[in-house]
Amino acid sequence: GNSVTQMEGPVTLSEEAFLTINCTYTATGYPSLFWYVQYPGEGLQLLLKATKADDKGSNKGFEATYRKETTSFHLEKGSVQVSDSAVYFCAPKTSKLTFGTGTRLQVTL
Amino acid sequence: DAGVIQSPRHEVTEMGQEVTLRCKPISGHNSLFWYRQTMMRGLELLIYFNNNVPIDDSGMPEDRFSAKMPNASFSTLKIQPSEPRDSAVYFCASSLTIGVYEQYFGPGTRLTVT
Repeated sequence: GNSVTQMEGPVTLSEEAFLTINCTYTATGYPSLFWYVQYPGEGLQLLLKATKADDKGSNKGFEATYRKETTSFHLEKGSVQVSDSAVYFCAPKTSKLTFGTGTRLQVTL
Repeated sequence: DAGVIQSPRHEVTEMGQEVTLRCKPISGHNSLFWYRQTMMRGLELLIYFNNNVPIDDSGMPEDRFSAKMPNASFSTLKIQPSEPRDSAVYFCASSLTIGVYEQYFGPGTRLTVT
């Protein structure tokens, strides 16, 4: 089956700092890759996705590139805001999504 | 669009009682997923349906758990009898179909078993 390794959180950053959340995966077959975000008290929402190697997914200033050779899908944002504070989940998908443990991001003023 | 609807939002029950969680997927979505989220285990897929048919229930923890989808607009997850270790947030999600499609999550049901 698939598996995901995400960096341990919490990640604490000051507003306008650069963000990287690492994600590596193992999968049978050729997965699509997703980042979901969970704001406090809510369900998960799709943040971005990439369906094939070298694709870059982007949304709301976040980006991630599908790196098949390193089986990675690292999430980046150039300048975080307080409103980005949430838990971020990396998830490869073949027949079904497999979620990582999530990385909590806390952005302070 | 109302999104995925789950009820109740919070449930507190005593050990040994039956618990039923309900989900209404987004209209027109053919796939439905039940997840459980805990601090210890993260987000786990319990079971998913496609066109009302269970496709994979390998994540259902044990026989105390059962799920049904009698029609395209309704699904239930039942725990009988409930135990304290079942305490978690249970999410329902739906997608257009199985494949490279976004899953839309409901707000979750927070279950506490005392």
